[in-house]
Amino acid sequence: DAGVTQSPTHLIKTRGQQVTLRCSPKSGHDTVSWYQQALGQGPQFIFQYYEEEERQRGNFPDRFSGHQFPNYSSELNVNALLLGDSALYLCASSRGPAGGVYQPQHFGDGTRLSIL
Amino acid sequence: KNQVEQSPQSLIILEGKNCTLQCNYTVSPFSNLRWYKQDTGRGPVSLTIMTFSENTKSNGRYTATLDADTKQSSLHITASQLSDSASYICVVSAGRDDKIIFGKGTRLHILP
Repeated sequence: DAGVTQSPTHLIKTRGQQVTLRCSPKSGHDTVSWYQQALGQGPQFIFQYYEEEERQRGNFPDRFSGHQFPNYSSELNVNALLLGDSALYLCASSRGPAGGVYQPQHFGDGTRLSIL
Repeated sequence: KNQVEQSPQSLIILEGKNCTLQCNYTVSPFSNLRWYKQDTGRGPVSLTIMTFSENTKSNGRYTATLDADTKQSSLHITASQLSDSASYICVVSAGRDDKIIFGKGTRLHILP
């Protein structure tokens, strides 16, 4: 039973470019959340997708957008990359939009994005 | 403002010793509190989940406590092992839509 898988594992981009990160949720999960984790910091919530719609959003600019596909996989898109976008981007999946009290979010190992 | 504060920021202990990590939160309305372990270069892994009515939850050598009155939680690690070296993150969910607030984590180093 595969857990949450993310691709690519590492990515290097330059300022102004655009990037797409991908996530496949754990089997049986239908909700995907994206987080940004700067070095030495806790994850910051970007947004959550359920039933192919954005259900919740954190304090991130519109440069950050996403999509969920019918098979529950998801993409995170970031436009006009800035140096400050360098971080580990984590995807987490769960059952149901609120995760559920006894349903912990399962995290992937993230995509390390470096902006030069 | 919903916030989760963890202390200490980092901790170094010898293998075999016990330690306790702290989490204070100002989140309302409280839904549940989770502790995660994050190894370097990996995603967080859930250790425990507690609701308002639970005041202790164990997972092997990890024991979490919750005092909903004082809005404090602790994670106690017994007989530490080298593999316990990681960041431990406290996460609090708020409201009916489980808005999730992460602490910055405590970096734990276990020395042989």
